[in-house]
Amino acid sequence: NAGVTQTPKFQVLKTGQSMTLQCAQDMNHEYMSWYRQDPGMGLRLIHYSVGAGITDQGEVPNGYNVSRSTTEDFPLRLLSAAPSQTSVYFCASQRVMTGAHEQFFGPGTRLTVL
Amino acid sequence: TQLLEQSPQFLSIQEGENLTVYCNSSSVFSSLQWYRQEPGEGPVLLVTVVTGGEVKKLKRLTFQFGDARKDSSLHITAAQPGDTGLYLCAGGKTSYDKVIFGPGTSLSVIP
Repeated sequence: NAGVTQTPKFQVLKTGQSMTLQCAQDMNHEYMSWYRQDPGMGLRLIHYSVGAGITDQGEVPNGYNVSRSTTEDFPLRLLSAAPSQTSVYFCASQRVMTGAHEQFFGPGTRLTVL
Repeated sequence: TQLLEQSPQFLSIQEGENLTVYCNSSSVFSSLQWYRQEPGEGPVLLVTVVTGGEVKKLKRLTFQFGDARKDSSLHITAAQPGDTGLYLCAGGKTSYDKVIFGPGTSLSVIP
């Protein structure tokens, strides 16, 4: 099992460009999330999905779109990149267990917006 | 808004010392998780606590969930340089709820 994979590992964008960060998991987990992590800070939730066709906003959703057409994939789209979106992005997946949220994380995508 | 706070923010100790880090909230969580993150990598799950008052041990690490399920602590006995990293707590109110993270405690264990 590969677990949670993310591509690309590094990306540099110019202000106004759009791009999609890819995330895939092979554990058949219903629940997937996207977080961003800025220096000196913990992880902030961008969007999450509790199953195919279902998505919801997290703490910092502005400027990002998601969709969940399959259980395996949960791409994150930046519509018009801004310097404030420079960050490390982590995707995570978890099985929906009663009362627990044990997440498995990908290696991250390091994004710089100039 | 469910908010998780962690203290201390930074901790630098000598090898062999004991330490405790805290995770606090005004909200009730169905469970809390502790993760450790090393530079350049994603967080890795250490433990989940589900029942109020629960204590779990993982070698030299002891985790406790508060009776009211609003707070948790992580105690490390005889810290080693390999314990160095960012310790994060996280939780959600229900199985399908959003999962939020605290800001983390950055631990440095000096040989």
